[in-house]
Amino acid sequence: QKEVEQDPGPLSVPEGAIVSLNCTYSNSAFQYFMWYRQYSRKGPELLMYTYSSGNKEDGRFTAQVDKSSKYISLFIRDSQPSDSATYLCAMSSISNDYKLSFGAGTTVTVRA
Amino acid sequence: EAQVTQNPRYLITVTGKKLTVTCSQNMNHEYMSWYRQDPGLGLRQIYYSMNVEVTDKGDVPEGYKVSRKEKRNFPLILESPSPNQTSLYFCASSPTSGASSGEQYFGPGTRLTVT
Repeated sequence: QKEVEQDPGPLSVPEGAIVSLNCTYSNSAFQYFMWYRQYSRKGPELLMYTYSSGNKEDGRFTAQVDKSSKYISLFIRDSQPSDSATYLCAMSSISNDYKLSFGAGTTVTVRA
Repeated sequence: EAQVTQNPRYLITVTGKKLTVTCSQNMNHEYMSWYRQDPGLGLRQIYYSMNVEVTDKGDVPEGYKVSRKEKRNFPLILESPSPNQTSLYFCASSPTSGASSGEQYFGPGTRLTVT
């Protein structure tokens, strides 16, 4: 079993829809949770970063962490064609914060 | 411009021919790391470096070597490449000495094919 599970999709939504992405994990020591966005033929770039449980909002993006369920989510409101990309979740623990564990990534297409 | 650069961007080579992929960052970051990205497997860490002359293995270090003689450079060496090392490779750096900052800056990637 992988340490971080993420449905690879692909996910196709119409412009303006809410995109919902999620990851589950097995390591209860994970405390840092991140979402990276990767456009085709580019390196990943950090989109959202949260520590421990709770919600974080940044513009049209909301990240949620539920540590009791070992489940994290990313919501994209009012999705735009420019949001079409692969979204990767990543996480690390305090005791081993040099190591990021990534999900496989979910490919999202927003149709105009 | 603050960035992580990798060279070459594309490389086709044959089994057993030693190669080096260079990585350089101009942000004075302490932490650097190498990942490989394969379909369905996501990004897997190969090696990382907390600072000059300090390196450690990630999840998939077999068949790879690294060195960190200068803060800005972190080359990835494949002494005897094999076809299962065909992959997309990313170098990343972070301003803190741990990944917990989350803000890892990734290079553009190197597409390696080993025949």
